[in-house]
Amino acid sequence: AQRVTQPEKLLSVFKGAPVELKCNYSYSGSPELFWYVQYSRQRLQLLLRHISRESIKGFTADLNKGETSFHLKKPFAQEEDSAMYYCALKETSGSRLTFGEGTQLTVNP
Amino acid sequence: NAGVTQTPKFQVLKTGQSMTLQCAQDMNHNSMYWYRQDPGMGLRLIYYSASEGTTDKGEVPNGYNVSRLNKREFSLRLESAAPSQTSVYFCASSQTSYDGYEQYFGPGTRLTVT
Repeated sequence: AQRVTQPEKLLSVFKGAPVELKCNYSYSGSPELFWYVQYSRQRLQLLLRHISRESIKGFTADLNKGETSFHLKKPFAQEEDSAMYYCALKETSGSRLTFGEGTQLTVNP
Repeated sequence: NAGVTQTPKFQVLKTGQSMTLQCAQDMNHNSMYWYRQDPGMGLRLIYYSASEGTTDKGEVPNGYNVSRLNKREFSLRLESAAPSQTSVYFCASSQTSYDGYEQYFGPGTRLTVT
């Protein structure tokens, strides 16, 4: 069965510092990977998809199939990036997502 | 469009009481989902409905039932609430478009069982 692991429950950085949120997965097929974000008092929303290979709000994530990782990176963190971040995996067929445990990011001024 | 809506926003139950969480989406999506969110455990899938008329168990279905009333509505029922069901419950719907796959989430229901 597929599994998504986010090893850091809490991550704290200072404004302007680089940030990396780690995500590792296990899945025997070819997965689709996503990052979802939940800002305080807001609903969960999609941040980015690996297939889009785009940068959203300065964040990027590269799928590394060899290391089975999909880490989220931003070179210069902003205070408004403070939120809960979830990595999620979708199987090749079907519509279900498997979520990781989440990482609470705090960007300090 | 309202997107995904959930009622109620908050609920307190006593052990053994029952209740139904309501969810509706106005985006004409085929698939809908119920998750629970617990600290340190992420979002766990309770039940899902791939299309109108079908429902399937997710990762943590015990103690819950669902009904896909029509394409818009997907309800979650707790027949006999237990303290272990204290959680935040999210409903979601999904689509695959030109941009790719995405799940859209409701605002959540915060449930406390005493």
